[in-house]
Amino acid sequence: GAVVSQHPSRVICKSGTSVKIECRSLDFQATTMFWYRQFPKKSLMLMATSNEGSKATYEQGVEKDKFLINHASLTLSTLTVTSAHPEDSSFYICSAPSFNEQFFGPGTRLTVL
Amino acid sequence: GNSVTQMEGPVTLSEEAFLTINCTYTATGYPSLFWYVQYPGEGLQLLLKATKADDKGSNKGFEATYRKETTSFHLEKGSVQVSDSAVYFCALSDQSGYSTLTFGKGTMLLVSP
Repeated sequence: GAVVSQHPSRVICKSGTSVKIECRSLDFQATTMFWYRQFPKKSLMLMATSNEGSKATYEQGVEKDKFLINHASLTLSTLTVTSAHPEDSSFYICSAPSFNEQFFGPGTRLTVL
Repeated sequence: GNSVTQMEGPVTLSEEAFLTINCTYTATGYPSLFWYVQYPGEGLQLLLKATKADDKGSNKGFEATYRKETTSFHLEKGSVQVSDSAVYFCALSDQSGYSTLTFGKGTMLLVSP
């Protein structure tokens, strides 16, 4: 089946710094990828839809200047958390569709100190 | 808008017990319905799906039937194993696979030997 990877799997950073998370479709191309945020004991919240070659579409309430998304190629989307603060600590998950199914990455645990 | 409601966990069972995790949804039109499973430390994996009313999705001994009259998609398994311990998410999409997913909050299942 299709495989989606994320890097890094875990990152700890200081408040005020920026962190980049990569999402790659390893064996298929994805013109669209999705970024989710998962809170403890909460569901996945869709943050944005990443579109190859064009701007990302952000969900209501998600700050586009804080969560920068770049879909640089048909296999790579990046999420950059700018000027991170402790409240940005969370589990970030990406997904990409292939043949009518969504494939999820393993997630990235971000901890902001 | 779309929403998914699933029973709160954790659900604690002994091995070989019968499992039911309830899921109901609110959506316009005819959504596709999914169950995803997240094992500890891993990303989400599609467990099963149903794309139209009265369809039954099944995989690895798990089953769920798309009930339009009750707007439900309850997950069942006749005999759970310790290895089934995970978090289970019910989800829907307006279209099959390519549109965004709306998730329930997840139900943790703990199976003891």
